[in-house]
Amino acid sequence: GESVGLHLPTLSVQEGDNSIINCAYSNSASDYFIWYKQESGKGPQFIIDIRSNMDKRQGQRVTVLLNKTVKHLSLQIAATQPGDSAVYFCAESPFNTNAGKSTFGDGTTLTVKP
Amino acid sequence: DTEVTQTPKHLVMGMTNKKSLKCEQHMGHRAMYWYKQKAKKPPELMFVYSYEKLSINESVPSRFSPECPNSSLLNLHLHALQPEDSALYLCASSQNTEAFFGQGTRLTVV
Repeated sequence: GESVGLHLPTLSVQEGDNSIINCAYSNSASDYFIWYKQESGKGPQFIIDIRSNMDKRQGQRVTVLLNKTVKHLSLQIAATQPGDSAVYFCAESPFNTNAGKSTFGDGTTLTVKP
Repeated sequence: DTEVTQTPKHLVMGMTNKKSLKCEQHMGHRAMYWYKQKAKKPPELMFVYSYEKLSINESVPSRFSPECPNSSLLNLHLHALQPEDSALYLCASSQNTEAFFGQGTRLTVV
């Protein structure tokens, strides 16, 4: 069946370092991917997205890379800050108005040490 | 206003109670969703409403009953829940390709 998963459940980095969070997916027909950040006591927050016709997309301090050959995507956070501590989910969604219909991966808990 | 507001934030209910969770957005989004999230797990989709009509029910038990009174409101009516239904219930809305989530209702069934 369709699944979206992450390689590591936890990641700990020093403040100022770069963070890389990985995700694998199984459905080769998946067209659209979203990274969400969920802080404690809050709902998921959209960070960045990428369509399958792209292999890289950059935002403010974040970059998403997509490798369709091996069905892998990653989220890179530059100069990680304490406020980046959260659970990060990759998700697969339809590329239409129902983009909120996401299939979430298991999540990686990022801890930033001062 | 890019907010999805959920009430209440916390709810404790007995197995014989009837309660409702409420969700509101004023972004003009025509798709709204209910998700369930257990501790240390990812959110799982329950229902999708598109243009105020139920379009997806992910085989959710009938003790959960969604309702969309208008384009800004989404309710989840709860009846005869079980302790294993205790979870964070998240509402979301979307238009185009970005989804916005509320902070959730932390539900405890006793």
